[in-house]
Amino acid sequence: EVQLVESGGGPVKPGGSLRLSCAASGFIFSTYPLNWLRQAPGKGLEWVSAISNTGSNIYYADSVKGRFAISRDNAKNSLYLQMNSLRAEDTALYYCARWAEDKTAFDIWGQGTMVTVSS
Amino acid sequence: EVVLTQSPATLSLSPGGRATLSCRASQSVSSQLAWYQQKPGQAPRLLIYGASNRATGIPARFSGSGSGTDFTLTINSLEPEDFAVYYCQQRTAWPTFGQGTKVEIK
Repeated sequence: EVQLVESGGGPVKPGGSLRLSCAASGFIFSTYPLNWLRQAPGKGLEWVSAISNTGSNIYYADSVKGRFAISRDNAKNSLYLQMNSLRAEDTALYYCARWAEDKTAFDIWGQGTMVTVSS
Repeated sequence: EVVLTQSPATLSLSPGGRATLSCRASQSVSSQLAWYQQKPGQAPRLLIYGASNRATGIPARFSGSGSGTDFTLTINSLEPEDFAVYYCQQRTAWPTFGQGTKVEIK
């Protein structure tokens, strides 16, 4: 079964850091670009960051540029998001999602991990 | 940035009815438009890609149409499990989503 499972979320104080992980299974991990997206409570979907299949190309939304860092380990079938200088507005459910270039769409999503930034 | 505007915000329909959801882009996205369904407490699920192609396992009652700036998702013969929030998404420079349309039971 094709699956993405996020972990690493939790409560954190403003200015703090957190590292999210996403474990993949059921597909050839190294052949797919991957993304992080988020959804604030009761709100819509926001794309956060993308990384190419080899990790050589990386992109960020303006809202997180300079604070978040995406990475991947193809040997471990894992995706990561290092989040620094966290703000209250970063509070959200964070999803990892597989990008299907032939579809220009996110075809597989994890169940998400919640990040709460509060003092 | 391409802004996607979905309408209506909420659609109140009865099971068996037809839902017509609209997504308008601020500039042409060609046919690079996808639709997702999200139920409470669940991750989004890809329904339609390339404006009109059903994703794997999606029932035929779901159909998408449009190109350029105007797109439509139609759900025929609404089933109880279809009541959810629907998002459109495009990827030109970077991915953006519409604000969502909630299809609720009337």
